[in-house]
Amino acid sequence: SQTIHQWPATLVQPVGSPLSLECTVEGTSNPNLYWYRQAAGRGLQLLFYSVGIGQISSEVPQNLSASRPQDRQFILSSKKLLLSDSGFYLCAWRLGQGSPLHFGNGTRLTVT
Amino acid sequence: AQKITQTQPGMFVQEKEAVTLDCTYDTSDQSYGLFWYKQPSSGEMIFLIYQGSYDEQNATEGRYSLNFQKARKSANLVISASQLGDSAMYFCAMNKETSGSRLTFGEGTQLTVNP
Repeated sequence: SQTIHQWPATLVQPVGSPLSLECTVEGTSNPNLYWYRQAAGRGLQLLFYSVGIGQISSEVPQNLSASRPQDRQFILSSKKLLLSDSGFYLCAWRLGQGSPLHFGNGTRLTVT
Repeated sequence: AQKITQTQPGMFVQEKEAVTLDCTYDTSDQSYGLFWYKQPSSGEMIFLIYQGSYDEQNATEGRYSLNFQKARKSANLVISASQLGDSAMYFCAMNKETSGSRLTFGEGTQLTVNP
């Protein structure tokens, strides 16, 4: 069966520090991969998605970047965090048409 | 562009009763998918049910059913026989049925089941 791993679960980082969140999927090949962010009490905002290795699409201009160095690995990064980067970050995968998104457990990021 | 609207920020229901969570959508696409997710206080996103735009029958998954009215562009979630564990945030989402397409989410409805 397929599983998705996302870490860390919580993170507290000072303003101006770098960020690296990692997500890996097991049990499937060539999944579509996604990074979403959720502000407290709000819906999910798509940040990045990828349909293959090295292929990254950005949905909103921001202080973040994403990379897909391997088929089942998706990394969210920042060189210098801002206070506004605080939020709940969710990685997800899906296989394609008609299939649902499967989410990781999320990372709660607090920038201080 | 696609848009999802959930007009109920919060809903309350008595245990064992049914509840309907509203979702309307806006799209110019002919082929699309509609999804419902549950998010408990732990934060995980749990997939509940899916409806394709060309599916003629309403989707059902256990106590969940999706009341799909294509002409009205609505995709309401019906939860029958509510349980205390159903208390959570519920999100409606949609996507265009093409490879790599992403889901657009509504703002969610907070459901509270009272004993």
